[in-house]
Amino acid sequence: DAKTTQPPSMDCAEGRAANLPCNHSTISGNEYVYWYRQIHSQGPQYIIHGLKNNETNEMASLIITEDRKSSTLILPHATLRDTAVYYCIVSRGDAGNMLTFGGGTRLMVKP
Amino acid sequence: GAVVSQHPSWVICKSGTSVKIECRSLDFQATTMFWYRQFPKQSLMLMATSNEGSKATYEQGVEKDKFLINHASLTLSTLTVTSAHPEDSSFYICSALGQAGQPQHFGDGTRLSIL
Repeated sequence: DAKTTQPPSMDCAEGRAANLPCNHSTISGNEYVYWYRQIHSQGPQYIIHGLKNNETNEMASLIITEDRKSSTLILPHATLRDTAVYYCIVSRGDAGNMLTFGGGTRLMVKP
Repeated sequence: GAVVSQHPSWVICKSGTSVKIECRSLDFQATTMFWYRQFPKQSLMLMATSNEGSKATYEQGVEKDKFLINHASLTLSTLTVTSAHPEDSSFYICSALGQAGQPQHFGDGTRLSIL
């Protein structure tokens, strides 16, 4: 699996957009970019994933650069409940290619 | 959305006992399930990969005789911690994968405390 690099922590003001960066310069052509988050004492929650194109769902937007070496997760209007550790993971997504969790980014949303 | 149920959510037991944790995919068939362990202030570490009807594949350093995994159906995998000791106390989390390319979905974890 390609490795990812994320800042260890970030702050964001409530109501503002949270932009979480991720570098994955060694990503392979068949690897997806997955984003999960883990709120304290819970299992990871799936947020969004993409291969090449930008993606948007009800939770977030995922912007992947054209060369696919980096991506940004955008929470458009952060709330206090978005405080969590956010993990960016690259994986083929098949049964033989498990998710490898790094340190993630600890996002603190402040009032 | 896909739901994975994990039970129990927490358990406290005496040293030497065995503990079984269940992981169920409620609204999809999981060809593969994964078991993770997470110690305080650390990230998730994969313990084993479980495919329905076959033996689990364990990560290096994980004792297969201590952590027994059974994946008897496409919706249920179990992890049994045998003869548990205080050092086995941790947060155990399962995930389930349906179709390739789709995301894994995680249970809410089981907090295991061995006294």
